[in-house]
Amino acid sequence: DVKVTQSSRYLVKRTGEKVFLECVQDMDHENMFWYRQDPGLGLRLIYFSYDVKMKEKGDIPEGYSVSREKKERFSLILESASTNQTSMYLCASSLSVGRETQYFGPGTRLLVL
Amino acid sequence: QKEVEQDPGPLSVPEGAIVSLNCTYSNSAFQYFMWYRQYSRKGPELLMYTYSSGNKEDGRFTAQVDKSSKYISLFIRDSQPSDSATYLCAMSASGNTGKLIFGQGTTLQVKP
Repeated sequence: DVKVTQSSRYLVKRTGEKVFLECVQDMDHENMFWYRQDPGLGLRLIYFSYDVKMKEKGDIPEGYSVSREKKERFSLILESASTNQTSMYLCASSLSVGRETQYFGPGTRLLVL
Repeated sequence: QKEVEQDPGPLSVPEGAIVSLNCTYSNSAFQYFMWYRQYSRKGPELLMYTYSSGNKEDGRFTAQVDKSSKYISLFIRDSQPSDSATYLCAMSASGNTGKLIFGQGTTLQVKP
């Protein structure tokens, strides 16, 4: 079974803090994704990566950056957290282009005060 | 207009009912179609995967794709309270760097 893990289930941070969300997958998948999920807005893609050190902007990259130094690990960084970044953050991975099925982690609920 | 439209519900049915969940889409290039189930405060889990048109059955679940109408469906037979969750449709075009386009999700409640 594919396993995608996220470093924290719940996080509480203060406005202006730098926040790191970590995601690890154990199935040698090439593609990794970061989403946020908000009521009424569904899943929105923040960034994705199709290879080590490669990254592509998704639909809402503003205020976020990412890092992929190793194939199994994809980090989402909130450079200066703001209250409008309070959300559920979901990481996903997929095997490769042409193998579109994505597998999700359990999510991180982030509250920015 | 969104690329993928899905009625958010909520949809409430009695236990044992047949449930029909639907999505419409506008991009004729979509070829990969998925349904995810998401329990409250959890990540989505893959339920069904279909390539191109046709039906696929897995236990109580049946996925249908009608590319001519740009319409996909998920049927749940003999629904159970444990089926209460949000169901997300997702789809992708070939060679599109693996990006999926998600529907907003339909919240389903199955009452005992």
